[in-house]
Amino acid sequence: AQSVTQPDIHITVSEGASLELRCNYSYGATPYLFWYVQSPGQGLQLLLKYFSGDTLVQGIKGFEAEFKRSQSSFNLRKPSVHWSDAAEYFCAVGALLTGGGNKLTFGTGTQLKVEL
Amino acid sequence: AAGVIQSPRHLIKEKRETATLKCYPIPRHDTVYWYQQGPGQDPQFLISFYEKMQSDKGSIPDRFSAQQFSDYHSELNMSSLELGDSALYFCASSLTGGLSYEQYFGPGTRLTVT
Repeated sequence: AQSVTQPDIHITVSEGASLELRCNYSYGATPYLFWYVQSPGQGLQLLLKYFSGDTLVQGIKGFEAEFKRSQSSFNLRKPSVHWSDAAEYFCAVGALLTGGGNKLTFGTGTQLKVEL
Repeated sequence: AAGVIQSPRHLIKEKRETATLKCYPIPRHDTVYWYQQGPGQDPQFLISFYEKMQSDKGSIPDRFSAQQFSDYHSELNMSSLELGDSALYFCASSLTGGLSYEQYFGPGTRLTVT
């Protein structure tokens, strides 16, 4: 069964500083990997995804993530954080379902706080 | 662009009551998923439907049932509600026949059981 580990429960960065959120996954096949962001009381918004090809993927809001198979990691990065980036970030791995679609398994999330 | 619609957005029920949550996927999306997110927790997969057939089942209690209708909307029925059922329930949809398998989430239904 697949699993996702986000080692950092809380991270605080200053506005304008760089950011890296860690994600490690466990999956027997080539993973489908995602990063979602959730503001308080809101739904989940997809930031970026990796299926195959280039291991550095670009997403919305200036985020990027790098897939490293050897380290089973898919870390999320942003060169300069804005106060509006404060939210909870979830890494997820998708497993294809034989019946159709794919099932997401989420990590426990990283709460990002941005200091002005 | 059209998004996933969930109704109601908020629901308050008492213990042992029933609740029905509705989900309207993005047009032309053929797969619907339900997730449960408890307070301070990550979303947990409950159940999914592809072309109106159940495609997978996760940690969904026997008290819950779901189905996808001919117009692709889905309903999650919850009976004998317990306090522990209080959570944010997300519906997501995807286009299985597409090149990506990304799921688009609705805003969620916040269920409070008192």
